Amino acid sequence: ETGVTQTPRHLVMGMTNKKSLKCEQHLGHNAMYWYKQSAKKPLELMFVYSLEERVENNSVPSRFSPECPNSSHLFLHLHTLQPEDSALYLCASSRGQGFNEQFFGPGTRLTVL
Amino acid sequence: GESVGLHLPTLSVQEGDNSIINCAYSNSASDYFIWYKQESGKGPQFIIDIRSNMDKRQGQRVTVLLNKTVKHLSLQIAATQPGDSAVYFCAEISNTNAGKSTFGDGTTLTVKP
Repeated sequence: ETGVTQTPRHLVMGMTNKKSLKCEQHLGHNAMYWYKQSAKKPLELMFVYSLEERVENNSVPSRFSPECPNSSHLFLHLHTLQPEDSALYLCASSRGQGFNEQFFGPGTRLTVL
Repeated sequence: GESVGLHLPTLSVQEGDNSIINCAYSNSASDYFIWYKQESGKGPQFIIDIRSNMDKRQGQRVTVLLNKTVKHLSLQIAATQPGDSAVYFCAEISNTNAGKSTFGDGTTLTVKP
């Protein structure tokens, strides 16, 4: 148990659906991250939030929309996704943006039909 | 057993043997390195870290070696156990890049009983 939870653990959606991924950290951390993990590819950083402010948007398509209402919660809103967006989406947190060790949640396995 | 080369994705070892997992990193200015372990169905988990001003760091059954001359990082696991079976990947962090982590491809370690 890393102190970072993600829901749902599995999600299947059609290309016209709208869904949201949720991440919650119970560690008192100030920075939160979204990563995409595809088969046989390195982790891809998508978004970074520090103290609820977005500090990084790594050229992610607008069909992915993050939201950080407070330092404990992070959402990833999904709409009109493509089949190539199917992947494991990982949330992570760290004490601050400058702290190196990140604590990861178990991920949401997303399948886009 | 040892993984060699930049892109060898798998390593199979006998239980009780020592394992060596290698990683070539890209940024000579990276300040900090982390090895993560990712078990099936889970998010990555911190194993051990090393700063760029060190060349060796030991933990419990694990040792990380850093060779800055050739930009090479290795993770040594002593007396490998079935519970060590997982994907292992390295991350490099540069303070000049806002502390962003860049992750390697990962090596799948399988421990045979």
